[in-house]
Amino acid sequence: GNSVTQMEGPVTLSEEAFLTINCTYTATGYPSLFWYVQYPGEGLQLLLKATKADDKGSNKGFEATYRKETTSFHLEKGSVQVSDSAVYFCALSRAGAAGNKLTFGGGTRVLVKP
Amino acid sequence: GAVVSQHPSRVICKSGTSVKIECRSLDFQATTMFWYRQFPKKSLMLMATSNEGSKATYEQGVEKDKFLINHASLTLSTLTVTSAHPEDSSFYICSARDSKRGGETQYFGPGTRLLVL
Repeated sequence: GNSVTQMEGPVTLSEEAFLTINCTYTATGYPSLFWYVQYPGEGLQLLLKATKADDKGSNKGFEATYRKETTSFHLEKGSVQVSDSAVYFCALSRAGAAGNKLTFGGGTRVLVKP
Repeated sequence: GAVVSQHPSRVICKSGTSVKIECRSLDFQATTMFWYRQFPKKSLMLMATSNEGSKATYEQGVEKDKFLINHASLTLSTLTVTSAHPEDSSFYICSARDSKRGGETQYFGPGTRLLVL
């Protein structure tokens, strides 16, 4: 079946450091790929997405490229801020009888220290 | 825009009682809402897809008589955990898809933490 694997946290960084969160997936067909972010006390928010191979999603300085050959969608940011501290979820969307459904990875907690 | 609320944010109940959780889309209409369950340090697990005006579609292994879903309006879906037991303790999260915008994007609520004693 479909699955998403992402690196376990927590990831602790200093401000302005480079962030990478690895995400790989297993899916039939050609899923859409997403990164969601959950700030403390809030619901999940869509951070970025890519719908086909070689697409690059970007938002708020974060980027991820849909790599079909390696079935990966790694999240990167060149210079993190304290406000980027959150839990990040990688997800894929698959078509179902009731419409597209999301399959999530386990989440990666990121803590950015000043 | 695209705000989803959940109520209550946390609830503690005795074993054997039923608990209702509400999910509301505050500034958009949602014909489709989703209910997820999240265990500590685990991923979100889709429980069911809630469809306005019709029966919910449950994922494999989810008891439909245990987790009753009602989606009576375009802005409200409810999840009732019937005869709750300690193993039902978890974090329940809903999401909604904007009917007018279409597309795959789901907007998530902040979650409800349920503790069954």
